[in-house]
Amino acid sequence: RKEVEQDPGPFNVPEGATVAFNCTYSNSASQSFFWYRQDCRKEPKLLMSVYSSGNEDGRFTAQLNRASQYISLLIRDSKLSDSATYLCVTRGTYKYIFGTGTRLKVLA
Amino acid sequence: NAGVMQNPRHLVRRRGQEARLRCSPMKGHSHVYWYRQLPEEGLKFMVYLQKENIIDESGMPKERFSAEFPKEGPSILRIQQVVRGDSAAYFCASSRGTSESYEQYFGPGTRLTVT
Repeated sequence: RKEVEQDPGPFNVPEGATVAFNCTYSNSASQSFFWYRQDCRKEPKLLMSVYSSGNEDGRFTAQLNRASQYISLLIRDSKLSDSATYLCVTRGTYKYIFGTGTRLKVLA
Repeated sequence: NAGVMQNPRHLVRRRGQEARLRCSPMKGHSHVYWYRQLPEEGLKFMVYLQKENIIDESGMPKERFSAEFPKEGPSILRIQQVVRGDSAAYFCASSRGTSESYEQYFGPGTRLTVT
């Protein structure tokens, strides 16, 4: 079983739609959680950290459920520029574990 | 404030040659990570270094691969006697430390092609 699992997608959604991605992790000792986005052939870029109480940054909302070992990312009012691969990431003491990503394509 | 820098951005080597990839972390960051990404695959952890120390190299092949982060200068990932299977994107990331609040930032990567 992979340490961080994500649905690879692709998710094809129209502009303006709301889309949600889920991620599960197996290591209950994971301490920190993040969402990164990666555009084709580019480096991953930090989208947001995920806090226990949930957090929001503009159109993006992240949730963490430690009991179920589950992280989610919600994107509201999707833009064409949101098209990318979204990577779920956990961190233990120092090691970051990346999921293989969920591909999102926002259609005009 | 410059971000994480990597060079070269593209590197072509023939089988059997050596590849040297360089990474300069962000200013104020003393922790460096190297990752490898094959086409259509996720990022795989290779090695974690602090200045003059390798903390965890569990993701790095035991042969042909080595990494260092000297007191002065960039971190270097070295691949000796490259083979076709080494062709991949190699990303370096840096962070300020290992506290929970410290986030990791990536460089633009080096795309290695072995012919």
